[in-house]
Amino acid sequence: AQSVAQPEDQVNVAEGNPLTVKCTYSVSGNPYLFWYVQYPNRGLQFLLKYITGDNLVKGSYGFEAEFNKSQTSFHLKKPSALVSDSALYFCAVRDGVYNTDKLIFGTGTRLQVFP
Amino acid sequence: DAGVIQSPRHEVTEMGQEVTLRCKPISGHDYLFWYRQTMMRGLELLIYFNNNVPIDDSGMPEDRFSAKMPNASFSTLKIQPSEPRDSAVYFCASSSGRVPNTQYFGPGTRLTVL
Repeated sequence: AQSVAQPEDQVNVAEGNPLTVKCTYSVSGNPYLFWYVQYPNRGLQFLLKYITGDNLVKGSYGFEAEFNKSQTSFHLKKPSALVSDSALYFCAVRDGVYNTDKLIFGTGTRLQVFP
Repeated sequence: DAGVIQSPRHEVTEMGQEVTLRCKPISGHDYLFWYRQTMMRGLELLIYFNNNVPIDDSGMPEDRFSAKMPNASFSTLKIQPSEPRDSAVYFCASSSGRVPNTQYFGPGTRLTVL
């Protein structure tokens, strides 16, 4: 079965420190992986995606994600966190069973960046 | 492009009333998705359409919920009759149907059923 796991409900980090938000996946076939961010009272906003190619993917707002096939992980990273990065982050994988645009979302990780 | 448009942004209604949420997808997108988000259950996919045809409605909670897509630029999600447990934020998203299949979300409708 296709699935995505975000093992941490919340991640706390001090401003200026590096941050990592974890995601692992289980899919049949090649994974299409996504990260979305949700700021308070807003819709989900696309951050970055991995389809193929370079394992390190760069996205919006200085975020990047590292695809690791052997560990079936797609962790979101940023070298230096900002207070404004505080938000809810979702990892998602395209449902590879059927040829559709349906995404399977993780449960979300709340990132808190403290000044 | 204006992005995905949803209306209303906020809806407060009383139990038993009919509620209709509206969505205009991004022009040229073939897929439209309806999600519901609550603190308790997180983000749930309710139903999605491809080329105006419902493909998977297994997430629709019960018969009180119905969704339609009469044309490529408009979709509705209707709840009749509404109940307090339907209170949630409802999101609409659309995607092109082409790789990388990215979904783009609307701002959501916050529904409160009293």
